[in-house]
Amino acid sequence: QSVLTQPPSASGTPGQRVTISCSGSSSNIGSNTVNWYQQLPGTAPKLLMYRNNQRPSGVPDRFSGSKSGTSASLAISGLQSEDEADYYCAAWDDSLNGYVFGTGTKVTVL
Amino acid sequence: QVQLQESGPGLVKPSETLSLTCTVSGGSISSYYWSWIRQPPGKGLEWIGYIYYSGSTNYNPSLKSRVTISLDTSKNQFSLKLSSVTAADTAVYYCAKAGITIFGVVTSYYMDVWGKGTTVTVSS
Repeated sequence: QSVLTQPPSASGTPGQRVTISCSGSSSNIGSNTVNWYQQLPGTAPKLLMYRNNQRPSGVPDRFSGSKSGTSASLAISGLQSEDEADYYCAAWDDSLNGYVFGTGTKVTVL
Repeated sequence: QVQLQESGPGLVKPSETLSLTCTVSGGSISSYYWSWIRQPPGKGLEWIGYIYYSGSTNYNPSLKSRVTISLDTSKNQFSLKLSSVTAADTAVYYCAKAGITIFGVVTSYYMDVWGKGTTVTVSS
């Protein structure tokens, strides 16, 4: 179902930098802005990044987003234990005329 | 601060219609796009669709034939109906507030407020 591809998992030790990739196509990431959602265990998703690199109020600046062509990435600098969660990228898809999510990446803090 | 709360039956029989309501508090429903998203057990997120406060709707093509999203401005609520359900429709269902901005040919759509979710199981 998912048209945006993410690595299933990523990990790092506290303080390290972790990067999550999101690969799409010309009809979604290539044409529209990318958002990222963080889902802590047992909770609802939370908007983490919108319009490629904009942080909602309250999101630490350790989180940063970027987009190039048909791919996007989310970086977590200074990894902390509370960052252990599932992360999903998402974008509007012009071909489907709908919103598509990535496959999700589980971040583990070692 | 807008808050959302889903409600509805936690168990639905196969072939019947799943019906959920999302109650909006702390703000008016007469603005923004109001969305439904679901997450099957152990799986990723799937966008179901949205309704604009004007009443216009947009649905996931894979669910379009079975989905209806409606609005009740008098109660500050919006609802989801999914017909002919099967076990594959078992999921946590979330409602969310969304916004869409069009910058020329670029669409920015994202959901910035989510409900806590409600679990719906399809089983006889």
